[in-house]
Amino acid sequence: SQQGEEDPQALSIQEGENATMNCSYKTSINNLQWYRQNSGRGLVHLILIRSNEREKHSGRLRVTLDTSKKSSSLLITASRAADTASYFCATGPGSARQLTFGSGTQLTVLP
Amino acid sequence: KAGVTQTPRYLIKTRGQQVTLSCSPISGHRSVSWYQQTPGQGLQFLFEYFSETQRNKGNFPGRFSGRQFSNSRSEMNVSTLELGDSALYLCASSLIGRQGNENTEAFFGQGTRLTVV
Repeated sequence: SQQGEEDPQALSIQEGENATMNCSYKTSINNLQWYRQNSGRGLVHLILIRSNEREKHSGRLRVTLDTSKKSSSLLITASRAADTASYFCATGPGSARQLTFGSGTQLTVLP
Repeated sequence: KAGVTQTPRYLIKTRGQQVTLSCSPISGHRSVSWYQQTPGQGLQFLFEYFSETQRNKGNFPGRFSGRQFSNSRSEMNVSTLELGDSALYLCASSLIGRQGNENTEAFFGQGTRLTVV
């Protein structure tokens, strides 16, 4: 079963705009991870945020985590056409070994 | 460093047959996990191996099995294939110690696309 739900399910923006995706989860976590998937290929790890962290940055990515609301958000700034992909959040019981994925957000960046 | 390698990339099988998929983890990674991705169910955890031992198993029937070798390479097997087994099967490796380092990333392979006809 899906632990997390992502919102929105689909997002279409123009190149240069920012994209924000949200993820909600149900149980307590040790960390939350975000992944990108291009056209049904493998998952690319984007960022991991620990439960005691509130915000993390990596290049054009900014992730926030609110454990009281059991939610996380992924912000992609100055989006590019190459950012077009599905984005998933994933949580685990404490490690990478048994991840529970959200349903994903399909992001389309129009040139 | 080479990434996670899965073979084959594509596979077409007939209902009732069995299939074996292979995964070579990143060098030094001893934890290997398998996931099934379908349009209807999304990404679901199958099982995880560490040092040749299955540590966790998802909610899948016994037709789904796996193993891990001493070099950390892993295989998963699906017997008596059903149409619903058509999916992208993803393997992930992680650098996790025996105690279970709880904050490590999983690195995924490109997957094996299995089609059951």
